[in-house]
Amino acid sequence: SAVISQKPSRDICQRGTSLTIQCQVDSQVTMMFWYRQQPGQSLTLIATANQGSEATYESGFVIDKFPISRPNLTFSTLTVSNMSPEDSSIYLCSALGVSGANVLTFGAGSRLTVL
Amino acid sequence: AQKVTQAQTEISVVEKEDVTLDCVYETRDTTYYLFWYKQPPSGELVFLIRRNSFDEQNEISGRYSWNFQKSTSSFNFTITASQVVDSAVYFCALSEALEGNKLVFGAGTILRVKS
Repeated sequence: SAVISQKPSRDICQRGTSLTIQCQVDSQVTMMFWYRQQPGQSLTLIATANQGSEATYESGFVIDKFPISRPNLTFSTLTVSNMSPEDSSIYLCSALGVSGANVLTFGAGSRLTVL
Repeated sequence: AQKVTQAQTEISVVEKEDVTLDCVYETRDTTYYLFWYKQPPSGELVFLIRRNSFDEQNEISGRYSWNFQKSTSSFNFTITASQVVDSAVYFCALSEALEGNKLVFGAGTILRVKS
């Protein structure tokens, strides 16, 4: 079955810096999404990564803080900009159609700690 | 709007006991999908099941079974003869066709199975 790879798997970052997370799917997929999981919490959708156009952000998330790219059908990046300790979370990439129609498959996540 | 409620924050059972995880959802759409995911301590989200709104048949897969009842908007998950390896956080989730298949997650239920 197809695989979703994310990197980095974890990182420790300094306040005020930015970090880009990469997500690679080993087959073409129709839709990709980015989720955030804050410590001890559930998953919250950040945005839908649209191929060749601007991402669609959910309420509470803005492009300046979380710029997203999706240059093709297998790759996307999420940048967490100007980080603060409140951004310490697991960021998960997901894709639709990897494991079957209408099934969202997740990468292993990128655990960010902001000091 | 989509909403998923998992009222049980944490459940502790002894190995070999049966346990049911509750999930109640809200949706305005007639076409929707319900999911269960498992998140073991390693952190990766594991897809368990998808059920569409037109299929109310209960499903059994090994020690796992799911009870979908549209009349009560519930999609409960039962583990029979629980094992220590079942210890994880379990998330129920909902996607609506009208919302572009974005997944909305419940808060999750922590299941602890003790030997």
